Amino acid sequence: QLQLQESGPGLVKPSETLSLTCTVSGGSISSTSYYWGWIRQPPGKELEWIGSIYYTGSTYYDPSLKSRVTISVDTSKNQFSLKLSSVTAADTAVYYCATVYSSSPDWFDPWGQGTLVTVSS
Amino acid sequence: QSVLTQPPSVPGAPGQRVTISCTGSSSNIGADYDVHWYQQLPGAAPKLLIYGNSNRPSGVPDRFSGSKSGTSASLAITGLQAEDEADYYCQSYDSSLSGLVFGGGTKLTVL
Repeated sequence: QLQLQESGPGLVKPSETLSLTCTVSGGSISSTSYYWGWIRQPPGKELEWIGSIYYTGSTYYDPSLKSRVTISVDTSKNQFSLKLSSVTAADTAVYYCATVYSSSPDWFDPWGQGTLVTVSS
Repeated sequence: QSVLTQPPSVPGAPGQRVTISCTGSSSNIGADYDVHWYQQLPGAAPKLLIYGNSNRPSGVPDRFSGSKSGTSASLAITGLQAEDEADYYCQSYDSSLSGLVFGGGTKLTVL
C-alpha cells in the first residue's frame, strides 16, 4: 500500500524559495499507473492544487502558480519535489503530496500527512 | 472564491441522512467532468471518499454515496455517526481556469 511523507523546512523567509520533498514507500514512483501531485491548504481555507508530475518528468501546473513552481522527480530515491519561488505570506499553508490517478479529471489517493510551511521573516 | 460552491456547514443528528451539494457551471461539472469527494477529519489529511461521481474506494462504507446531475453534484451520508464529523470537499476540473479545482468545503456537524 502506497504511503507518502512530506519533508522540508517549516519556515521560509519572504522572497525566498520554498522546497519540499515527498518520499514514496510501498510502491515505485516509476509506476506507469500513477502521477504524483502537490496540493496545499492555507490555514482555515480550502484545498488548492499546485501541480503534478509523471515519473518521466512530464509536468502540469496550476496556471495561477505556474510561473513560480517547479516539480521534479528522482526515481533513484523514490521521491518527488516541489519548489515555489518568491514566496509571500499568502503561500503559508499545509502542503500535501499525493498519488494522482489520471482520469477526467484526476483524483488524489492516498495523501501524505501534510507539512506546515510558514512564510515569515 | 472557488468555482465549485459548497454550503459552509451542514448539521445532522445521529442516524439521520444528510446531503452536501457542490454547485458548478458549464466550464466544470456541466462540461461533463467527473466530481470526486474527500473527507478531512480534524487535524488530518484529506481522504478520498468518492471518485468518478459515484464510486467508492475499497474500505469506504456504503453509507456514503455520490451523484451528479447537470452542473451540480451531491454527497449523501446515511445513518450519520459521530465519527462522520469532518470537512468534506468536492473536486473537479475547470476548463476556463485550465486546472483542477476544489470546492470551498463543508463542515458537517453531528449534533
